[in-house]
Amino acid sequence: DTAVSQTPKYLVTQMGNDKSIKCEQNLGHDTMYWYKQDSKKFLKIMFSYNNKELIINETVPNRFSPKSPDKAHLNLHINSLELGDSAVYFCASSQELGISGGEISDTQYFGPGTRLTVL
Amino acid sequence: SQQGEEDPQALSIQEGENATMNCSYKTSINNLQWYRQNSGRGLVHLILIRSNEREKHSGRLRVTLDTSKKSSSLLITASRAADTASYFCATGRGYNTDKLIFGTGTRLQVFP
Repeated sequence: DTAVSQTPKYLVTQMGNDKSIKCEQNLGHDTMYWYKQDSKKFLKIMFSYNNKELIINETVPNRFSPKSPDKAHLNLHINSLELGDSAVYFCASSQELGISGGEISDTQYFGPGTRLTVL
Repeated sequence: SQQGEEDPQALSIQEGENATMNCSYKTSINNLQWYRQNSGRGLVHLILIRSNEREKHSGRLRVTLDTSKKSSSLLITASRAADTASYFCATGRGYNTDKLIFGTGTRLQVFP
């Protein structure tokens, strides 16, 4: 019953390679995100997609290309990996609860993370 | 840019004691959220407090928000060893498609 899942959990690769990380959510959410957590545990937004449309792109190098084939999936492809790309990458999703009679919430649900190590 | 900064960076206490973590932020917000991250795991949402609220409780958690000081605190009462984790505050502007901006986190260690 995993809500937000990512694969792989660990990824070790050489500099210059191209790799992908996959994310899937079964919560029926409309919005998905990618975050990067560095070695100091600082968590920073990279991208967000709403209904397969790119909403946020936070000054991320264009070597990073998110792809959303449908609203339940948001994959992250990274070209020409660099040492500085080593980090833990988290996928998240959220759903607006609605305005009429309910709360608007931007609570996000996170996946378990993918630890990327570039050698 | 980094929005929230948390204080202390690390906190060690004994089981049964209370743990207090503080978060400061810089811009106007719609809400502030607290998340927990166990070592090697993803973040788990704990509690959300809106900008028009001053205090909120959930189980052993108590969150306060002072928008005039742009600060929030998270109190965990009667802590347990299982509370050992990193705790992050995150500020939101209330839009589902908008980003959360996370603080630097407080690493809490609860000794049995």
